[in-house]
Amino acid sequence: KAGVTQTPRYLIKTRGQQVTLSCSPISGHRSVSWYQQTPGQGLQFLFEYFSETQRNKGNFPGRFSGRQFSNSRSEMNVSTLELGDSALYLCASSLFAGLDEQFFGPGTRLTVL
Amino acid sequence: DQQVKQNSPSLSVQEGRISILNCDYTNSMFDYFLWYKKYPAEGPTFLISISSIKDKNEDGRFTVFLNKSAKHLSLHIVPSQPGDSAVYFCAAAISSGSARQLTFGSGTQLTVLP
Repeated sequence: KAGVTQTPRYLIKTRGQQVTLSCSPISGHRSVSWYQQTPGQGLQFLFEYFSETQRNKGNFPGRFSGRQFSNSRSEMNVSTLELGDSALYLCASSLFAGLDEQFFGPGTRLTVL
Repeated sequence: DQQVKQNSPSLSVQEGRISILNCDYTNSMFDYFLWYKKYPAEGPTFLISISSIKDKNEDGRFTVFLNKSAKHLSLHIVPSQPGDSAVYFCAAAISSGSARQLTFGSGTQLTVLP
């Protein structure tokens, strides 16, 4: 069974640009969550999608948005990039929403110059 | 304001000895706790969890202890192996309600020396 895949793995952007990251969950999983990992801050929850609906959102500005498609694939968008957005963005999938075990992808390393 | 804290950014342990990783939380509403392990260039992988109705959960070499009154949990790895060298994250959640939001600590880098 293929794991969670994230594309691209690495990305370099400049301030003010926007970026879209993609996550394909494990086949059959319907819940996708996104996290931002920065040094010293651990993983910070961005949002969770289940059946194309955003179920929960973390404490991030509106520049961070996401969506989920009918095949459970999810995209995350960050507009008007700032230097502080440089981070590893991880997505995790699980069968259902709630406290199901989450399976993480390898992440997308975003560098904002 | 970090609700989940891992105050030790790093820990070194000799192979075969016990590794003890600690985690403190401030939100008394948290009632479900998890530990994840992360190798470089990989996403975190789930290790073990514990509900607040228990004070201990064991899975092979890994045991998690929960002290609700102290709002403290710890992960014990016995015996430690070089392959256990990784970053360990503790996470907490409120299990009631339909939405799930894991709050993670900042991680502890464990190095097991051969």
